[in-house]
Amino acid sequence: QVQLVQSGAEVKKPGASVKVSCKASGYTFTDYDIIWVRQATGQGLEWMGWMNSKSGNTVDAQKFQGRVTMTRDTSKSTAYMDLSSLRSEDTAVYYCARAVDNSGWYDYWGQGTLVTVSS
Amino acid sequence: QSVLTQPPSASGTPGQRVTISCSGSSSNIGSNYVSWYRQLPGTAPKLLIYRNNQRPSGVPDRLSGSKSGTSTSLAISGLRSEDEADYYCATWDDTLGGVIFGGGTKLTVL
Repeated sequence: QVQLVQSGAEVKKPGASVKVSCKASGYTFTDYDIIWVRQATGQGLEWMGWMNSKSGNTVDAQKFQGRVTMTRDTSKSTAYMDLSSLRSEDTAVYYCARAVDNSGWYDYWGQGTLVTVSS
Repeated sequence: QSVLTQPPSASGTPGQRVTISCSGSSSNIGSNYVSWYRQLPGTAPKLLIYRNNQRPSGVPDRLSGSKSGTSTSLAISGLRSEDEADYYCATWDDTLGGVIFGGGTKLTVL
């Protein structure tokens, strides 16, 4: 069965970077794109960007341009999201999801990774 | 404040039909497919509707999606206690060049 398993919770200081992984199984990794979404406590969903798993090409949300880097290791069927220059407002649960197309159709999601930014 | 506008809350009694709206513009809902998600506390979102009105396997037919112009809605009939959750609409925005989510609607089953 299709599964996306994310790395564990992280605590980072302001100004640091965090790298969250998302390991896919149950399907051919390069057949589907991966997106990243985050959710601050009590808030809604916020789209961060989209990565073509085959080519590695990415589209970043305007808000995160220059701070987010999405990469993948196809040999490990794993996608990564690196967010730099962390600030307290980046404290949130970060989700990866499998994208069927670019309209917002995401059929499988990771379990989420809590990133806490605190001095 | 999201580009897609959803009511912050909705409610209904068991067995009732409720509708959650999502309003956008010509650059998003008006020209792209819409998806809907349900999120229970502490869990990842779950896909309910894709391409405006298509249900993934396993989603019951008492949930339906529709779209008209720059608005879309999710209807839930035969309301059950397990429908109590947060609901989000999502679509691509041509101007922003990315996917946008509605602000979310908290559905309460009275």
